[in-house]
Amino acid sequence: KQEVTQIPAALSVPEGENLVLNCSFTDSAIYNLQWFRQDPGKGLTSLLLIQSSQREQTSGRLNASLDKSSGRSTLYIAASQPGDSATYLCAVGGGQAGTALIFGKGTTLSVSS
Amino acid sequence: ETGVTQTPRHLVMGMTNKKSLKCEQHLGHNAMYWYKQSAKKPLELMFVYNFKEQTENNSVPSRFSPECPNSSHLFLHLHTLQPEDSALYLCASSHPTPETYGTEAFFGQGTRLTVV
Repeated sequence: KQEVTQIPAALSVPEGENLVLNCSFTDSAIYNLQWFRQDPGKGLTSLLLIQSSQREQTSGRLNASLDKSSGRSTLYIAASQPGDSATYLCAVGGGQAGTALIFGKGTTLSVSS
Repeated sequence: ETGVTQTPRHLVMGMTNKKSLKCEQHLGHNAMYWYKQSAKKPLELMFVYNFKEQTENNSVPSRFSPECPNSSHLFLHLHTLQPEDSALYLCASSHPTPETYGTEAFFGQGTRLTVV
C-alpha cells in the first residue's frame, strides 16, 4: 500500500529565507508526483507536476525535484514571503492508486514579516 | 478559479437528511474524483470515475452514493450520515491517456459539510 510522508509537519521561518519541504513515498512505481498548496478552509491549488521520467520542475520561486528510485521529492521555496504561508501537500499518482492521487498529511508553513 | 466548481460551499445537515454535493469541471477532462479531508488526516480517496464509469470505490460506506451522469458532472449523494462524516469534501479532475497517464489534477474549492 502506497504511503506518503511529509517532513516537517510544521515550519516557521522569517521572511526572505530559503526553505525545503520533504516528501517520501514507499512504492516507487508512480506515474507522477504533484505538489499542491492549500489555504485554510480552501481547496487545493496545483503548484508543480513532475512526471516519473523527469527529475525536476520549476515555477517562479518554486523548484521541485524527484528521485523516484529512492522514493523522495523536495519542494524548494526561494526567498519566502508572508503570502507563502499555507499548507503544502505532496501527492503521488500511479501504481496502486491508478489515475488517482495518494496524499501526505502536508507541511504547514508560516512565514513571518 | 481552477476550472472545477463545487456547490454548495457549505452544508449543514441532520443525520436523517438527504442532500447532494455537486461538482462540475470545465476542462474537458475524462476522470473525476471525490476526496474527503478530515482534520489531522491526509486526503482520503473515496471514488474514481473514468469516462463516466466508476473504477474505484475505496471502501466507502453506502451512505455515500456517487453519480457521474457525464464526464463533466459528478455528484455525491448523502443520506443518514453520522457526525464523524463532517469534513471537507473535495472534487478533482484529470485527463489520463495511454500516452500521458500521469496528468495534472485540478481540485475544486470543496464543500464544508457539518453533520449535526
